[in-house]
Amino acid sequence: KAGVTQTPRYLIKTRGQQVTLSCSPISGHRSVSWYQQTPGQGLQFLFEYFSETQRNKGNFPGRFSGRQFSNSRSEMNVSTLELGDSALYLCASSLWTSGNTDTQYFGPGTRLTVL
Amino acid sequence: AQTVTQSQPEMSVQEAETVTLSCTYDTSENNYYLFWYKQPPSRQMILVIRQEAYKQQNATENRFSVNFQKAAKSFSLKISDSQLGDTAMYFCAFMKHVSNTGNQFYFGTGTSLTVIP
Repeated sequence: KAGVTQTPRYLIKTRGQQVTLSCSPISGHRSVSWYQQTPGQGLQFLFEYFSETQRNKGNFPGRFSGRQFSNSRSEMNVSTLELGDSALYLCASSLWTSGNTDTQYFGPGTRLTVL
Repeated sequence: AQTVTQSQPEMSVQEAETVTLSCTYDTSENNYYLFWYKQPPSRQMILVIRQEAYKQQNATENRFSVNFQKAAKSFSLKISDSQLGDTAMYFCAFMKHVSNTGNQFYFGTGTSLTVIP
């Protein structure tokens, strides 16, 4: 099976712009989670989507949003970019069957640089 | 709220030696899962090992093993016979299973491990 893929791998934007990141989960995986990774903060959970619905949300401002499509692919959008949004954005997918243990499989990430 | 603490930002070990990475967590849950993830310089995060909290037996995967102390809320990772390819950032993660709203993951800030030839 192909792993989790993320596009683009690298992105450079300027303050005030918006950006959309894409994530394709492992085939059959229905849960997609997004994380922001920075050197000092580690991985911070952004949100999780399951069956096209946002199921969990981390503590990030409303500028960060996402969605999931019927094929489980997910997009993350950041509007009005700030310098502090520079980070590696990781997407993780999991099978998630109710009542069972679950393992997240991560994509390679999108490195976003805001100038 | 759940928190995961990795108190060792950086560690190093000689090749072929053994190293232990520490992780503690705070939770009021009784049913949960713990993971160690590895992120090599190439940045792809991969699962190293996982442990179900209801299992008393420590998980083992080849050279990787854990010391799970539920009462102490401690979950350390032991790497035996360290290899150069083990050089990476290691993240400890806690997962709480919520039947209707999915699984919630919490990560530590990571330990950067360098294996010295």
